[in-house]
Amino acid sequence: NAGVTQTPKFQVLKTGQSMTLQCAQDMNHNSMYWYRQDPGMGLRLIYYSASEGTTDKGEVPNGYNVSRLNKREFSLRLESAAPSQTSVYFCASSETLPGQGYQPQHFGDGTRLSIL
Amino acid sequence: RKEVEQDPGPFNVPEGATVAFNCTYSNSASQSFFWYRQDCRKEPKLLMSVYSSGNEDGRFTAQLNRASQYISLLIRDSKLSDSATYLCAVNILTGGGNKLTFGTGTQLKVEL
Repeated sequence: NAGVTQTPKFQVLKTGQSMTLQCAQDMNHNSMYWYRQDPGMGLRLIYYSASEGTTDKGEVPNGYNVSRLNKREFSLRLESAAPSQTSVYFCASSETLPGQGYQPQHFGDGTRLSIL
Repeated sequence: RKEVEQDPGPFNVPEGATVAFNCTYSNSASQSFFWYRQDCRKEPKLLMSVYSSGNEDGRFTAQLNRASQYISLLIRDSKLSDSATYLCAVNILTGGGNKLTFGTGTQLKVEL
């Protein structure tokens, strides 16, 4: 059981290049999330998808787009990378259990992205 | 005021000590609370959920104080391997939906 799998694990881009970060989960979770983590800033939500077919902006969506390809996969795209997007990106997923409160999120092991 | 706040530390404690962290939250309607552990350059991993009546998992005890709007994590008999950053997470009801908000973490260093 792999849980949440992210690819790639490391990437270096030049300013202006584009790329897509991939995320897949095998836990049959409805909800998926993309975060970035910077020193001293904690985890900041970029986009999330409460269920297949829906996506919503989080705290820091500018410069990013997402696609919920199916229930398993949720990708994050940088159309024109900027040095300010240098960060560690985490994908997460969680179950939705009506009437049982908010369920914890489970994280992938991250993508370390550097923009030069 | 931040939605979720933690003392960044570091908390430097000797092996075997008991240490406690608090995490305050601003939204009184929050319903779900969690503690995560994050090792350097790794992903956050769920340590434990926090239940209204408090809960224990081995050396770890989590408590919720709704009146003062904080959760706590107590670690007894600290081990070297407990050295990590501990993140609290709280669900925050906003106009945009029900999301989980993380604190910036409290760093723990357990020393010989």
